[in-house]
Amino acid sequence: GIQVEQSPPDLILQEGANSTLRCNFSDSVNNLQWFHQNPWGQLINLFYIPSGTKQNGRLSATTVATERYSLLYISSSQTTDSGVYFCACFLNTGNQFYFGTGTSLTVIP
Amino acid sequence: KAGVTQTPRYLIKTRGQQVTLSCSPISGHRSVSWYQQTPGQGLQFLFEYFSETQRNKGNFPGRFSGRQFSNSRSEMNVSTLELGDSALYLCASSLLTGEETQYFGPGTRLLVL
Repeated sequence: GIQVEQSPPDLILQEGANSTLRCNFSDSVNNLQWFHQNPWGQLINLFYIPSGTKQNGRLSATTVATERYSLLYISSSQTTDSGVYFCACFLNTGNQFYFGTGTSLTVIP
Repeated sequence: KAGVTQTPRYLIKTRGQQVTLSCSPISGHRSVSWYQQTPGQGLQFLFEYFSETQRNKGNFPGRFSGRQFSNSRSEMNVSTLELGDSALYLCASSLLTGEETQYFGPGTRLLVL
């Protein structure tokens, strides 16, 4: 199956700082999504982004499909941004989503 | 529109028992996928249902099964529970295929003692 690797595994930021999370994947994908898992376990959709760039408020994402990576940018971080961020990929020839191992983000006041 | 709902939210069982979890997708969504999340293995795909048919299955033993009803609601069943089945079970719905944007429910936390 596809390998989905995320970096860094852990990140601690001061409130107001910016950060970049990376997702590398080993095969061509039809779909790539970024999720935020809150402390209660709920997975929240952030972006559906198989290619290109999207922005939503302080968050933006870029996927370069030809180079098999995606980036999630968080600007002016807030304590409510804390949690685990996952990317998930759906292969061109696959039949399921493959999740990365996640980046655990802690934003301290 | 209401989101994906899962019941129950928490469950405690003992080894050898069986359990049934329920998932109601977003209205109009016909694809339902199930995932298991554990600290050691991360998020892993269990299966996907569409129009009452299992379309895809992950690499889990036959003790894990599911079904989907005509109203798109889905249930998953785990028989002969093992300690290692303790996990957060997440259900996701999408409009037509598992390839599309997936919307997740709050999950069911299962503890097997």
